[in-house]
Amino acid sequence: EAGVAQSPRYKIIEKRQSVAFWCNPISGHATLYWYQQILGQGPKLLIQFQNNGVVDDSQLPKDRFSAERLKGVDSTLKIQPAKLEDSAVYLCASSPNRGPEQFFGPGTRLTVL
Amino acid sequence: LAKTTQPISMDSYEGQEVNITCSHNNIATNDYITWYQQFPSQGPRFIIQGYKTKVTNEVASLFIPADRKSSTLSLPRVSLSDTAVYYCLVGPDGPPAGNMLTFGGGTRLMVKP
Repeated sequence: EAGVAQSPRYKIIEKRQSVAFWCNPISGHATLYWYQQILGQGPKLLIQFQNNGVVDDSQLPKDRFSAERLKGVDSTLKIQPAKLEDSAVYLCASSPNRGPEQFFGPGTRLTVL
Repeated sequence: LAKTTQPISMDSYEGQEVNITCSHNNIATNDYITWYQQFPSQGPRFIIQGYKTKVTNEVASLFIPADRKSSTLSLPRVSLSDTAVYYCLVGPDGPPAGNMLTFGGGTRLMVKP
C-alpha cells in the first residue's frame, strides 16, 4: 500500500514570497490533516478535512495560510505571504474512517529567509 | 481537553527496557491513550493504543492503571534504532479529531551503545 505522498520535500523562499505544498493521502482515507512542526516541538494541527469539507481550522492563520481539498482526495496548503516564523516542517497525514491511527507523509521542510 | 505531561528526555543503553510515563490527570471516560514515535526527518508513526490495563503488540507494551490518570509505554530491549521522540496523545477513539491531535513536546529517547 502506498503511503502519504508530499511534495516538494524541501523549499527555500524569501519572506513575503508565496509557497504551496501538495499532499496525496492514502487511497480511500477520508480524513486529511495538515500539521506544522517547528524545530524541537511537536506537530501542531493547522487544518483537518473530512472528504472535501473542513472539520477544524481553528489554528490556521487564515490571513496568510489557505488550504483546499478538491474532490476529497489531494490537498494543497498555501502560504502567502511567508514570514520568517513560518520556517518549519509541514506534515500531511491521513486516516481511514475507523481506528485511531494517522498515517503521516515525509513532510516538506520550509526555510524562509 | 485532556492535557498530557511527559519527561522531556531520557537516556538508555542498548538491550535495556525503557519505560516512558505520560500523565493525563483529566482523561475523560471515553478517551483512549495513543503513542506515536518520530524519527528525525520523518513524520510520526503510530505505535500503540489502549484504554485500560495492558496492551501489547510486536513493538511495545502499554500499561494503564485502574485510575487511568497515567500510562507507561514500555520498549523491551531497546536498540540504537529506537532513538526517537515519543508522543503520548489522549482523546476519543475513532478517526482522530479535536483534542486527539495535540501532540505536545514528546519525550526524546537517546539509546547509547
